[in-house]
Amino acid sequence: DGGITQSPKYLFRKEGQNVTLSCEQNLNHDAMYWYRQDPGQGLRLIYYSQIVNDFQKGDIAEGYSVSREKKESFPLTVTSAQKNPTAFYLCASTLLGGRSGAEAFFGQGTRLTVV
Amino acid sequence: AQRVTQPEKLLSVFKGAPVELKCNYSYSGSPELFWYVQYSRQRLQLLLRHISRESIKGFTADLNKGETSFHLKKPFAQEEDSAMYYCALTPGGKLIFGQGTELSVKP
Repeated sequence: DGGITQSPKYLFRKEGQNVTLSCEQNLNHDAMYWYRQDPGQGLRLIYYSQIVNDFQKGDIAEGYSVSREKKESFPLTVTSAQKNPTAFYLCASTLLGGRSGAEAFFGQGTRLTVV
Repeated sequence: AQRVTQPEKLLSVFKGAPVELKCNYSYSGSPELFWYVQYSRQRLQLLLRHISRESIKGFTADLNKGETSFHLKKPFAQEEDSAMYYCALTPGGKLIFGQGTELSVKP
Protein backbone atom coordinates (compact mmCIF):
# COMPACT_ATOMS: atom_id res chain seq x y z
CA ASP A 1 0.00 0.00 0.00
CA GLY A 2 1.88 3.03 -1.28
CA GLY A 3 1.91 6.27 0.60
CA ILE A 4 3.59 8.64 3.01
CA THR A 5 3.64 7.90 6.73
CA GLN A 6 4.32 10.23 9.61
CA SER A 7 4.92 9.07 13.15
CA PRO A 8 3.98 9.51 15.85
CA LYS A 9 0.55 11.09 15.49
CA TYR A 10 0.87 12.91 18.82
CA LEU A 11 4.08 13.89 20.55
CA PHE A 12 4.74 15.62 23.85
CA ARG A 13 8.04 17.24 24.66
CA LYS A 14 9.43 18.97 27.68
CA GLU A 15 10.95 22.39 27.19
CA GLY A 16 14.66 22.21 26.43
CA GLN A 17 14.49 18.81 24.74
CA ASN A 18 15.07 18.00 21.09
CA VAL A 19 12.54 15.75 19.39
CA THR A 20 12.55 14.01 16.00
CA LEU A 21 9.49 13.55 13.80
CA SER A 22 9.53 10.70 11.32
CA CYS A 23 8.42 10.85 7.67
CA GLU A 24 8.69 7.84 5.36
CA GLN A 25 7.44 7.38 1.79
CA ASN A 26 7.37 4.36 -0.50
CA LEU A 27 6.25 6.28 -3.60
CA ASN A 28 9.79 6.55 -5.01
CA HIS A 29 9.42 10.32 -4.93
CA ASP A 30 12.50 12.49 -5.31
CA ALA A 31 11.41 15.53 -3.35
CA MET A 32 10.23 15.72 0.26
CA TYR A 33 9.01 18.66 2.32
CA TRP A 34 8.24 19.64 5.90
CA TYR A 35 5.57 22.18 6.77
CA ARG A 36 4.23 23.70 9.91
CA GLN A 37 0.48 24.34 9.99
CA ASP A 38 -0.84 26.95 12.43
CA PRO A 39 -4.40 28.32 12.46
CA GLY A 40 -4.78 31.24 10.07
CA GLN A 41 -1.26 30.90 8.69
CA GLY A 42 -1.62 28.08 6.24
CA LEU A 43 1.29 25.77 5.53
CA ARG A 44 4.69 27.31 6.06
CA LEU A 45 7.71 25.58 4.54
CA ILE A 46 10.39 24.54 7.02
CA TYR A 47 12.82 22.49 4.91
CA TYR A 48 12.75 20.66 1.60
CA SER A 49 14.92 18.16 -0.19
CA GLN A 50 14.98 17.41 -3.89
CA ILE A 51 17.59 14.68 -3.76
CA VAL A 52 19.31 12.39 -1.30
CA ASN A 53 22.02 14.05 0.81
CA ASP A 54 20.84 17.53 -0.14
CA PHE A 55 18.27 19.84 1.43
CA GLN A 56 17.39 23.53 1.54
CA LYS A 57 15.92 25.86 4.12
CA GLY A 58 12.39 27.01 3.68
CA ASP A 59 10.82 30.15 5.09
CA ILE A 60 10.92 29.19 8.77
CA ALA A 61 13.96 26.91 9.20
CA GLU A 62 15.28 28.46 12.42
CA GLY A 63 15.21 25.97 15.30
CA TYR A 64 14.75 22.96 13.01
CA SER A 65 17.12 20.49 11.36
CA VAL A 66 16.69 17.69 8.83
CA SER A 67 18.61 14.90 7.14
CA ARG A 68 18.08 13.00 3.89
CA GLU A 69 20.28 9.93 4.02
CA LYS A 70 17.78 7.74 2.19
CA LYS A 71 15.36 8.58 -0.60
CA GLU A 72 12.38 7.30 1.36
CA SER A 73 13.09 9.07 4.65
CA PHE A 74 13.19 12.74 5.70
CA PRO A 75 13.18 13.12 9.50
CA LEU A 76 12.67 16.53 11.10
CA THR A 77 14.28 17.46 14.41
CA VAL A 78 12.69 20.22 16.45
CA THR A 79 15.48 21.60 18.58
CA SER A 80 15.36 23.43 21.86
CA ALA A 81 16.21 26.60 19.90
CA GLN A 82 12.75 26.65 18.33
CA LYS A 83 10.93 29.25 20.39
CA ASN A 84 7.36 28.19 19.69
CA PRO A 85 7.42 24.52 18.72
CA THR A 86 3.86 23.57 19.64
CA ALA A 87 2.19 23.05 16.25
CA PHE A 88 0.90 20.59 13.69
CA TYR A 89 3.62 19.32 11.34
CA LEU A 90 2.98 17.97 7.85
CA CYS A 91 5.31 16.05 5.58
CA ALA A 92 4.84 15.80 1.81
CA SER A 93 6.55 14.29 -1.21
CA THR A 94 6.42 14.77 -4.99
CA LEU A 95 7.99 13.47 -8.15
CA LEU A 96 10.12 16.05 -9.93
CA GLY A 97 9.83 18.54 -7.10
CA GLY A 98 6.33 19.37 -8.23
CA ARG A 99 7.42 20.37 -11.72
CA SER A 100 5.35 19.42 -14.77
CA GLY A 101 2.26 19.35 -12.62
CA ALA A 102 3.49 16.58 -10.33
CA GLU A 103 1.08 15.98 -7.47
CA ALA A 104 2.17 16.28 -3.84
CA PHE A 105 1.16 13.55 -1.40
CA PHE A 106 0.81 14.32 2.29
CA GLY A 107 1.18 12.46 5.53
CA GLN A 108 -1.48 12.59 8.23
CA GLY A 109 0.60 14.91 10.34
CA THR A 110 2.17 14.98 13.79
CA ARG A 111 0.82 17.20 16.52
CA LEU A 112 3.66 18.31 18.77
CA THR A 113 2.93 19.79 22.17
CA VAL A 114 5.57 21.26 24.44
CA VAL A 115 4.75 20.78 28.11
CA ALA B 1 9.90 37.13 -3.49
CA GLN B 2 7.89 34.01 -4.15
CA ARG B 3 4.55 34.21 -2.46
CA VAL B 4 0.99 32.90 -2.63
CA THR B 5 -1.80 35.02 -1.19
CA GLN B 6 -5.34 33.92 -0.40
CA PRO B 7 -7.09 37.02 0.88
CA GLU B 8 -10.16 35.34 2.37
CA LYS B 9 -9.82 33.22 5.52
CA LEU B 10 -13.46 32.18 5.42
CA LEU B 11 -16.00 32.09 2.63
CA SER B 12 -19.58 31.20 3.49
CA VAL B 13 -22.21 30.58 0.79
CA PHE B 14 -25.55 28.84 0.43
CA LYS B 15 -25.99 25.61 -1.47
CA GLY B 16 -26.45 26.29 -5.18
CA ALA B 17 -24.69 29.66 -5.09
CA PRO B 18 -21.58 30.35 -7.18
CA VAL B 19 -18.22 30.17 -5.44
CA GLU B 20 -14.93 31.91 -6.18
CA LEU B 21 -11.87 31.37 -3.99
CA LYS B 22 -9.19 33.91 -4.74
CA CYS B 23 -5.48 33.20 -5.19
CA ASN B 24 -2.75 35.60 -6.22
CA TYR B 25 0.89 34.72 -6.65
CA SER B 26 4.23 36.42 -6.90
CA TYR B 27 6.89 34.70 -9.01
CA SER B 28 9.13 36.03 -11.75
CA GLY B 29 9.45 32.70 -13.58
CA SER B 30 6.91 30.54 -15.36
CA PRO B 31 4.49 29.50 -12.63
CA GLU B 32 3.06 26.07 -11.94
CA LEU B 33 -0.04 26.40 -9.81
CA PHE B 34 -2.27 24.00 -7.95
CA TRP B 35 -5.31 23.88 -5.73
CA TYR B 36 -5.27 21.44 -2.81
CA VAL B 37 -8.21 20.62 -0.57
CA GLN B 38 -8.51 19.25 2.95
CA TYR B 39 -11.85 17.77 3.94
CA SER B 40 -12.63 17.25 7.61
CA ARG B 41 -10.44 14.53 9.15
CA GLN B 42 -8.80 13.73 5.82
CA ARG B 43 -5.36 14.32 4.38
CA LEU B 44 -4.57 17.28 2.20
CA GLN B 45 -5.06 16.21 -1.42
CA LEU B 46 -4.75 17.62 -4.91
CA LEU B 47 -7.89 19.15 -6.38
CA LEU B 48 -6.58 20.45 -9.68
CA ARG B 49 -3.51 21.81 -11.43
CA HIS B 50 -3.32 24.58 -14.02
CA ILE B 51 -1.16 22.55 -16.39
CA SER B 52 -4.01 20.09 -16.96
CA ARG B 53 -6.73 22.69 -17.54
CA GLU B 54 -9.15 20.22 -15.98
CA SER B 55 -12.44 20.42 -14.14
CA ILE B 56 -12.65 18.37 -10.96
CA LYS B 57 -15.87 18.03 -8.92
CA GLY B 58 -17.21 20.97 -10.93
CA PHE B 59 -14.32 23.25 -9.97
CA THR B 60 -12.19 25.09 -12.52
CA ALA B 61 -9.29 27.51 -12.23
CA ASP B 62 -7.73 29.66 -14.92
CA LEU B 63 -4.24 31.02 -14.77
CA ASN B 64 -4.18 34.75 -15.49
CA LYS B 65 -0.57 35.79 -15.87
CA GLY B 66 -1.44 39.44 -16.35
CA GLU B 67 -3.21 39.61 -13.01
CA THR B 68 -0.97 36.91 -11.44
CA SER B 69 -4.07 35.07 -10.29
CA PHE B 70 -5.38 31.50 -10.19
CA HIS B 71 -8.86 31.80 -8.76
CA LEU B 72 -10.91 28.66 -8.08
CA LYS B 73 -14.51 28.71 -9.28
CA LYS B 74 -17.61 26.57 -9.12
CA PRO B 75 -20.98 27.66 -10.53
CA PHE B 76 -23.16 25.82 -8.01
CA ALA B 77 -21.75 25.01 -4.57
CA GLN B 78 -22.68 21.77 -2.80
CA GLU B 79 -22.62 21.04 0.94
CA GLU B 80 -19.90 18.43 0.37
CA ASP B 81 -17.62 21.19 -0.94
CA SER B 82 -17.18 22.49 2.60
CA ALA B 83 -13.47 22.16 3.31
CA MET B 84 -10.19 24.03 3.60
CA TYR B 85 -8.72 25.05 0.24
CA TYR B 86 -5.07 25.89 -0.39
CA CYS B 87 -3.51 27.46 -3.46
CA ALA B 88 0.07 26.32 -4.16
CA LEU B 89 3.00 27.34 -6.33
CA THR B 90 6.11 25.35 -7.28
CA PRO B 91 8.93 27.82 -7.91
CA GLY B 92 12.12 25.98 -8.77
CA GLY B 93 11.52 22.79 -6.82
CA LYS B 94 9.98 24.39 -3.77
CA LEU B 95 6.32 23.91 -3.00
CA ILE B 96 4.74 26.87 -1.24
CA PHE B 97 1.17 27.41 -0.10
CA GLY B 98 -1.14 30.25 0.63
CA GLN B 99 -2.80 30.80 3.98
CA GLY B 100 -5.85 28.79 3.01
CA THR B 101 -9.54 29.62 2.67
CA GLU B 102 -12.18 27.77 4.62
CA LEU B 103 -15.27 27.26 2.46
CA SER B 104 -18.53 26.70 4.28
CA VAL B 105 -21.57 25.75 2.19
CA LYS B 106 -24.83 26.08 4.08
CA PRO B 107 -28.01 24.16 3.23
